[in-house]
Amino acid sequence: QLQLRESGPGLVKPSETLSLTCTVSGGSIRSTSYYWAWIRQPPGKGLEWIGNVYYSGSSYFNPSLKSRVTISVDTSKNHFSLKLSSVTAADTAVYYCATDLVPYFDLWGRGTLVTVSS
Amino acid sequence: EIVLTQSPGTLSLSPGERATLSCRASQSISSSYLAWYQQRPGQAPRLLIYGGSSRATGIPDRFSGSGSGTDFTLTISRLEPEDFAVYYCQQYDRSLYTFGQGTKLEIK
Repeated sequence: QLQLRESGPGLVKPSETLSLTCTVSGGSIRSTSYYWAWIRQPPGKGLEWIGNVYYSGSSYFNPSLKSRVTISVDTSKNHFSLKLSSVTAADTAVYYCATDLVPYFDLWGRGTLVTVSS
Repeated sequence: EIVLTQSPGTLSLSPGERATLSCRASQSISSSYLAWYQQRPGQAPRLLIYGGSSRATGIPDRFSGSGSGTDFTLTISRLEPEDFAVYYCQQYDRSLYTFGQGTKLEIK
């Protein structure tokens, strides 16, 4: 069955770029059924949608983060990636990837904690 | 941007009781675009309800969703110990998603 797993550095310095990858297993990222989404959750707080991407590269972003976010797909590696630039402590969060069945998120990865600190 | 407000912030109930969680939207949304998630401590959220009232795969029938316009409800008919968690509603509008701030369901 389809599974998602986030990976990337757990610690990023302020002003640098956060980079995470979500590896898709048990299915193809070329599936026409899904968009692929990133969602985050600061410690002890609620959920915030970051953005999503289709296998073709079409993407949508949270307006509050749009100027700093890039989401891309690598079909050869069956994964998609998140880049968030100019990070601050406010970007410290658990980052989840998820399947986006538009208009809801069906399957979630386990999440990865990213801390922004010098 | 559509804002979702969940109430109450915390709900204290006992196993076996009925739980009613509310999600109010800042403007009318289609029930087709309203979903509910459960998040247990240390775990990722899990889809419970989509399309306002359809249960996701494997979700027990004690969970039900209802509502329309700006007012939506998640009902758990008879609480089991594993149901004590945080619940989030989520909406989709014009290619953008927002979540409510969550309701914590705790054991009384």
